[in-house]
Amino acid sequence: DVKVTQSSRYLVKRTGEKVFLECVQDMDHENMFWYRQDPGLGLRLIYFSYDVKMKEKGDIPEGYSVSREKKERFSLILESASTNQTSMYLCASSPRIAGSNFGPGTRLTVT
Amino acid sequence: GENVEQHPSTLSVQEGDSAVIKCTYSDSASNYFPWYKQELGKGPQLIIDIRSNVGEKKDQRIAVTLNKTAKHFSLHITETQPEDSAVYFCAASGVLNNFNKFYFGSGTKLNVKP
Repeated sequence: DVKVTQSSRYLVKRTGEKVFLECVQDMDHENMFWYRQDPGLGLRLIYFSYDVKMKEKGDIPEGYSVSREKKERFSLILESASTNQTSMYLCASSPRIAGSNFGPGTRLTVT
Repeated sequence: GENVEQHPSTLSVQEGDSAVIKCTYSDSASNYFPWYKQELGKGPQLIIDIRSNVGEKKDQRIAVTLNKTAKHFSLHITETQPEDSAVYFCAASGVLNNFNKFYFGSGTKLNVKP
């Protein structure tokens, strides 16, 4: 089974802090994604990557950046956390032209 | 870009009954349609998918139908069980430069009453 792991299940940070969310997949997938999930808004794409060192903006990239130095690892960075970034963050990976495998999610609270 | 709408937002059925969730999409170039199940406290899990060259696909109690002309696709769950209770998401994607970008519906909370 494909495994997508995320570094934390729950995280509490203060406004202005730099936050790193790490995601690792073990199936050699080319594509990796970061989404945020909020009630009533479904899943919204923040950033995605289709290869090492490649990254593309999703629908809501403002306030976020990403890093993909190795194929199996895709990091989401909040440069200066704000309260409106309190959310559930989901990482996913997929082979080309196929459905995604999601991680368990990180529930981030910014106070 | 693509726009995916999903209905209903909540669905309550009696155990053993069928459940149907519907999605529409706007981009005729979309050609791949996965469905996900998300249980409480977990990430979404891919349960079934369909490609645009197929009209229907079945996997045990779950089936998905696709109408490309009308641009809608549906998830059908038969003989529902309490463990089917979860939030279900549909998604649509097209291939651009050999890459899939997914657009998700807003989710349907299914409650199966024992």
